[in-house]
Amino acid sequence: QSALTQPASVSGSPGQSITISCTGTSSDVGSNNLVSWYQQHPDKAPKLMIYEANKRPSGVSNRFSGSRSGNTASLTISGLQAGDEADYYCCAYAGGYIWVFGGGTKLTVL
Amino acid sequence: QVQLVQSGAEVKKPGASVKVSCKASGYTFTSHGLHWVRQAPGQRLEWMGWISGGNGNTKYSQKFQGRVTINRDTSASTAYMEMSSLRSEDTAVYYCARDLVATGDAFDIWGQGTMVTVSS
Repeated sequence: QSALTQPASVSGSPGQSITISCTGTSSDVGSNNLVSWYQQHPDKAPKLMIYEANKRPSGVSNRFSGSRSGNTASLTISGLQAGDEADYYCCAYAGGYIWVFGGGTKLTVL
Repeated sequence: QVQLVQSGAEVKKPGASVKVSCKASGYTFTSHGLHWVRQAPGQRLEWMGWISGGNGNTKYSQKFQGRVTINRDTSASTAYMEMSSLRSEDTAVYYCARDLVATGDAFDIWGQGTMVTVSS
């Protein structure tokens, strides 16, 4: 299974919105709604931010939203804050009880 | 509270095996699947395999098939990941992560990670 494709880096100023894309294939992102997004700060464990493409776990800010269209999923962060600076990973169910992560995107808040 | 606590850091020689444990608390262990994910220094997250809730079926990434074994002790609410034939490229932080459900969805609770260093 190949890694999902994410941009290596994105950046934005405080208060702005950014979107991170996650491109897969018809066998993973395009085949079901089991796409999730994780935030990882340096030397910390990842944290679930979005599941089932567009659902937020309890406690996650509504500034984080997700969507999926075809073979591409997206994570949008609105009202950027300094604490949002982190690495973000998408993950998709690829069928046959296999999951695959993206390459990760480093978000810089300018 | 719901948490996963992993065993401590390991240093192994090439060719050896390592076994990492992940003790769950605060929830019904068999009601959720449990995944193993690793992250080499400066690299991306990599899904390794999982054990489902309920009947405890396992599935592994093709990359690790035959070299990794995941199992669990339901009486101790603990899952294990054992990797054999270690090589330097296996140096990484290994995480266990709980699935939202028994049958597979997303990873909502993560362990603190276990650093495994493979060096001669």
